[in-house]
Amino acid sequence: AQKVTQAQTEISVVEKEDVTLDCVYETRDTTYYLFWYKQPPSGELVFLIRRNSFDEQNEISGRYSWNFQKSTSSFNFTITASQVVDSAVYFCALSEATSGSARQLTFGSGTQLTVLP
Amino acid sequence: DSGVTQTPKHLITATGQRVTLRCSPRSGDLSVYWYQQSLDQGLQFLIHYYNGEERAKGNILERFSAQQFPDLHSELNLSSLELGDSALYFCASSVSGRRADTQYFGPGTRLTVL
Repeated sequence: AQKVTQAQTEISVVEKEDVTLDCVYETRDTTYYLFWYKQPPSGELVFLIRRNSFDEQNEISGRYSWNFQKSTSSFNFTITASQVVDSAVYFCALSEATSGSARQLTFGSGTQLTVLP
Repeated sequence: DSGVTQTPKHLITATGQRVTLRCSPRSGDLSVYWYQQSLDQGLQFLIHYYNGEERAKGNILERFSAQQFPDLHSELNLSSLELGDSALYFCASSVSGRRADTQYFGPGTRLTVL
């Protein structure tokens, strides 16, 4: 069965510090997709990135970067020069086949990031 | 704004009652997914519909049911409500339902059962 572990329950940093959120996953599939979502205090879930299992290139988008390492089954997320607006709960999620063409997401428990001014 | 709409935003009801949550997917999306977010269980997949047909069930209670209509909007029906059903219910949509699809989430419906 698939599983996503986000061991860091809460992280607190001071503005402009860099912070890395860890995500470790388990799957038996050879093809799968990994996602990060952000849940700000307002409650909605905002899509940040999708990565497939055969593309291990790191990705950078502005202050955000993602490091995918298949050898350690990890998909970590780094925010550079953090800002107060980055304060949110961040979820890592995994998509693999369940049955037929259904594709559910399995979420980690989330990491609450607080950026202090 | 993801383009997925959910109504109502908040719902307060009593134990034993029945409620209906509504979701409209993004324009062009054929798949709708329902998730429940609670403090003790986290974010859990409930059910997936593709173009009107049920495709997968997760940890959905028998008291809960859903459907997707010909115009592709979906409703999640929760009956015989219990205190433990209080949670944030999300609807998500995707283009088709393949594992590569990104699921875009609506703002959620916060259900409080008193």
